[in-house]
Amino acid sequence: DVKVTQSSRYLVKRTGEKVFLECVQDMDHENMFWYRQDPGLGLRLIYFSYDVKMKEKGDIPEGYSVSREKKERFSLILESASTNQTSMYLCASSRWAVKEAAKNIQYFGAGTRLSVL
Amino acid sequence: SQQGEEDPQALSIQEGENATMNCSYKTSINNLQWYRQNSGRGLVHLILIRSNEREKHSGRLRVTLDTSKKSSSLLITASRAADTASYFCATGYGNKLVFGAGTILRVKS
Repeated sequence: DVKVTQSSRYLVKRTGEKVFLECVQDMDHENMFWYRQDPGLGLRLIYFSYDVKMKEKGDIPEGYSVSREKKERFSLILESASTNQTSMYLCASSRWAVKEAAKNIQYFGAGTRLSVL
Repeated sequence: SQQGEEDPQALSIQEGENATMNCSYKTSINNLQWYRQNSGRGLVHLILIRSNEREKHSGRLRVTLDTSKKSSSLLITASRAADTASYFCATGYGNKLVFGAGTILRVKS
């Protein structure tokens, strides 16, 4: 079974702090994703990485950065946390999908609920 | 750019009844997927239907896809209390998915 592990289930941070959210997958997937989930808005893509050191902005990248130094690990960084970044953060991974649509099934971690006070 | 929209936003049924959730989307897709999320947890993939398929079954799940109407439906038959969760449709293009806002399903025992 694919396992995607997020380092923390719950985090409480202060405004202005630098926050690191870590995600590790064990299935050698090429793609990794960071989403945030807010009530009524569904999942919104923050960043996408398709290879080591490669990244692509999603729909809401402002205020976030990412790092992928190793294939299995994808980090989300909040450079200076703000209260409007209080949310549920979900990490996911998938295989690189070229022609076979079935390969873009995503596997999710359990989520990190971040509160910024 | 949220593409999928689920309907209804919330659904409450009795155990044993069928639950139907609908999803509409805006642009061409490679596939459409449905995911389930238990409260406070990550999403779990349920079923994928390709753009050239019209119907797919998996256990108590039945998914239909109408590309001319840009819509899909998820039917859960003989629902159980354990089916209580949020259900999301996700439209796939390339390596990414775009998720809708979800339908909250509550199955009362």
